[in-house]
Amino acid sequence: GENVEQHPSTLSVQEGDSAVIKCTYSDSASNYFPWYKQELGKRPQLIIDIRSNVGEKKDQRIAVTLNKTAKHFSLHITETQPEDSAVYFCAASKGGGATNKLIFGTGTLLAVQP
Amino acid sequence: NAGVTQTPKFQVLKTGQSMTLQCAQDMNHEYMSWYRQDPGMGLRLIHYSVGAGITDQGEVPNGYNVSRSTTEDFPLRLLSAAPSQTSVYFCASSYKGGRNEQFFGPGTRLTVL
Repeated sequence: GENVEQHPSTLSVQEGDSAVIKCTYSDSASNYFPWYKQELGKRPQLIIDIRSNVGEKKDQRIAVTLNKTAKHFSLHITETQPEDSAVYFCAASKGGGATNKLIFGTGTLLAVQP
Repeated sequence: NAGVTQTPKFQVLKTGQSMTLQCAQDMNHEYMSWYRQDPGMGLRLIHYSVGAGITDQGEVPNGYNVSRSTTEDFPLRLLSAAPSQTSVYFCASSYKGGRNEQFFGPGTRLTVL
């Protein structure tokens, strides 16, 4: 089955710096890659996603890149702010069919130091 | 819309007890799923359902049962709780088919003594 690896497990940056989190997946049939943000004590919430027919997607300070050949995708956060501090999870899914089965990475704890 | 709701928020059980975690959604989503979240392990899929009457196993199904009698509800049953089931449990729902945003409930923190 699908396996998703995520690195680093913890990341500390200064406010205003950029942060990059990387994930690799094992199943070449995966074609949907969402990123979720989970603040302390809260539920995970989708922040951005990318489909396999696209190499990059941006939403304000957040961007995701996908390299299908290497089977890895990355989350980029620019101009980090203290409210970006949270745990970030990547996930992979084989879109199509009836299921929406997501396999998650183990998470990255991002700390933005003011 | 209430979105995805879960009850209870907190629960303490003794080893061997049984209980049901409740999950409901009011968005008419076909797909519902249960995850457990443990430190350093991310979110692991327990069971999922693509519609009423249809369920399937995820990555870590042992010790858990589910049923889906209605579109709205997807309860998770622990038949005989074990300390290894101490975790935070999240229910999620979405429209069926891949590439659809999954909406998570607020979670249930379960401790098994």
